[in-house]
Amino acid sequence: SQQGEEDPQALSIQEGENATMNCSYKTSINNLQWYRQNSGRGLVHLILIRSNEREKHSGRLRVTLDTSKKSSSLLITASRAADTASYFCATVSRSNDYKLSFGAGTTVTVRA
Amino acid sequence: DAGITQSPRHKVTETGTPVTLRCHQTENHRYMYWYRQDPGHGLRLIHYSYGVKDTDKGEVSDGYSVSRSKTEDFLLTLESATSSQTSVYFCAISENRELYEQYFGPGTRLTVT
Repeated sequence: SQQGEEDPQALSIQEGENATMNCSYKTSINNLQWYRQNSGRGLVHLILIRSNEREKHSGRLRVTLDTSKKSSSLLITASRAADTASYFCATVSRSNDYKLSFGAGTTVTVRA
Repeated sequence: DAGITQSPRHKVTETGTPVTLRCHQTENHRYMYWYRQDPGHGLRLIHYSYGVKDTDKGEVSDGYSVSRSKTEDFLLTLESATSSQTSVYFCAISENRELYEQYFGPGTRLTVT
């Protein structure tokens, strides 16, 4: 069953704006990962954040994790047309034998 | 891209026919996974392998079987395809389970008519 749920389901922003999407989950986790999927392609790993970390950065990406609220957010700053994609959070938990459990994703459209 | 290929990339088949999808990796990673992706469901795990001849079921394994006779190859078989198995299938690999990301193949679009 899906552990993570992304919000919003879809997001449309202007180039240069920031995009924020959220992920909520139900059970304790070992780590949480974010992936990007461009149309018709496989998923690409973006960031992994461990349960004892609160924030992580990678280029224009910033991920936060609040284990007390069982939620994470992904911020893309200064968005570009190339950021148009679907973004998925995936949780990893010992109770699920360390298998990835994906949410349904957020579709981001960056308008030129 | 990590060295993962899937074949075929597209397939149309009729209900009741057997279908085998192949995943091939050149990374020598221990873990291999098969997912299906359907609108509104994200990715759901079908089966995975943690070594040669070592496999286990995922959350949507009914109607699917897998085999891994070599480190580099992971086969997914639909013994008798049904229309509900129309989907996009992704293979993924990882070095280990904890604290490791997965690398995904390009996907196979399967249509069962």
